[in-house]
Amino acid sequence: GNSVTQMEGPVTLSEEAFLTINCTYTATGYPSLFWYVQYPGEGLQLLLKATKADDKGSNKGFEATYRKETTSFHLEKGSVQVSDSAVYFCALRTTSGGSYIPTFGRGTSLIVHP
Amino acid sequence: DTAVSQTPKYLVTQMGNDKSIKCEQNLGHDTMYWYKQDSKKFLKIMFSYNNKELIINETVPNRFSPKSPDKAHLNLHINSLELGDSAVYFCASSPSKTGATEAFFGQGTRLTVV
Repeated sequence: GNSVTQMEGPVTLSEEAFLTINCTYTATGYPSLFWYVQYPGEGLQLLLKATKADDKGSNKGFEATYRKETTSFHLEKGSVQVSDSAVYFCALRTTSGGSYIPTFGRGTSLIVHP
Repeated sequence: DTAVSQTPKYLVTQMGNDKSIKCEQNLGHDTMYWYKQDSKKFLKIMFSYNNKELIINETVPNRFSPKSPDKAHLNLHINSLELGDSAVYFCASSPSKTGATEAFFGQGTRLTVV
């Protein structure tokens, strides 16, 4: 079956530090990969995505590259801000029973201190 | 215009009661989902509806039942509420024709059973 594995949090950083959140996946077929962000008290919203191997998704200074050879989609940001504090979810979509069902990792909490 | 809206946002109720959470999407998607998020932020898929047909049903107690009156709505009914049902419930939708499109989430319903 499909699964997504994320590094456990919380990840605690100082402002302007470099961020990496690791994500690896197992999937049947050829999945699309996503990073979602959940701010406190809110629902999940898409941060970035990549739909084929070697694609790089980017948004708000965050980046992730679809690595088929290592089945990974690690999230990076060069300089985090306090406002980036949130929970980050790695996810994939593939086909199952004729539908496209999103599978999520456990989420990684990021805490950024001033 | 809210793409995926769910009501209520907060729900506090006593054990043994029956409650419903409503969800509506105005994106024209043909697949809708219910997820349960526990206190550790883990997202568990509960149900997926595609064109009014149940696609998946994970190991969810039969006290939980999805009801879809039309393609734009997927309501969640819960009978005989238990303390362990306390969680945040998220509705989401996506088009099923492509796995390259992200799922869109509602703001969540925080259910507290006392």
